[in-house]
Amino acid sequence: DAGVTQSPTHLIKTRGQQVTLRCSPKSGHDTVSWYQQALGQGPQFIFQYYEEEERQRGNFPDRFSGHQFPNYSSELNVNALLLGDSALYLCASSLGPGSGYTFGSGTRLTVV
Amino acid sequence: GENVEQHPSTLSVQEGDSAVIKCTYSDSASNYFPWYKQELGKGPQLIIDIRSNVGEKKDQRIAVTLNKTAKHFSLHITETQPEDSAVYFCAARKGMNTGFQKLVFGTGTRLLVSP
Repeated sequence: DAGVTQSPTHLIKTRGQQVTLRCSPKSGHDTVSWYQQALGQGPQFIFQYYEEEERQRGNFPDRFSGHQFPNYSSELNVNALLLGDSALYLCASSLGPGSGYTFGSGTRLTVV
Repeated sequence: GENVEQHPSTLSVQEGDSAVIKCTYSDSASNYFPWYKQELGKGPQLIIDIRSNVGEKKDQRIAVTLNKTAKHFSLHITETQPEDSAVYFCAARKGMNTGFQKLVFGTGTRLLVSP
């Protein structure tokens, strides 16, 4: 039984570009949450998707957007990349928005 | 908003010793407190959690205690082993079963267990 799958594992982008990160939740899970983890810091909540809608959002600008598909997979999009967007982006899935999380291994984004 | 403080930031112990990591949360409405272990190059892995109606929970060498009055919770690892070396994060959340509540993480503790 596959856990949470994220792609790509590593990515290098230039400042000002746009990026799309992908997440497939654990089998049976229907809710996806995205977190940003800067080096040496704890994960910071970006947003959560349930029933293909954004249900809650953290303190991130509108440059960060997402989508959830009917098969529960999700995408995180970041526009107009800044150097400060360099981080590990974690996807977590759960069965329902209030249940415990299973995290993926993350996508390491480097903005140069 | 919710804030979670965690200390120490680094902890070095000898194999077989005990390790204790402490966290303090600010929002008294928080009622779910998980602990995660993150190894290099991997995402956080849930190792134990506790809800606010319980004061202590154990799972083999790992235990978590919660003091709701002081808004403190702690992770205790006994008989540490080198494979326990990792970064440990505490977290807090309101409304475990009411949905749409984010986890707020501490800043992490790097645990090093020396053979």
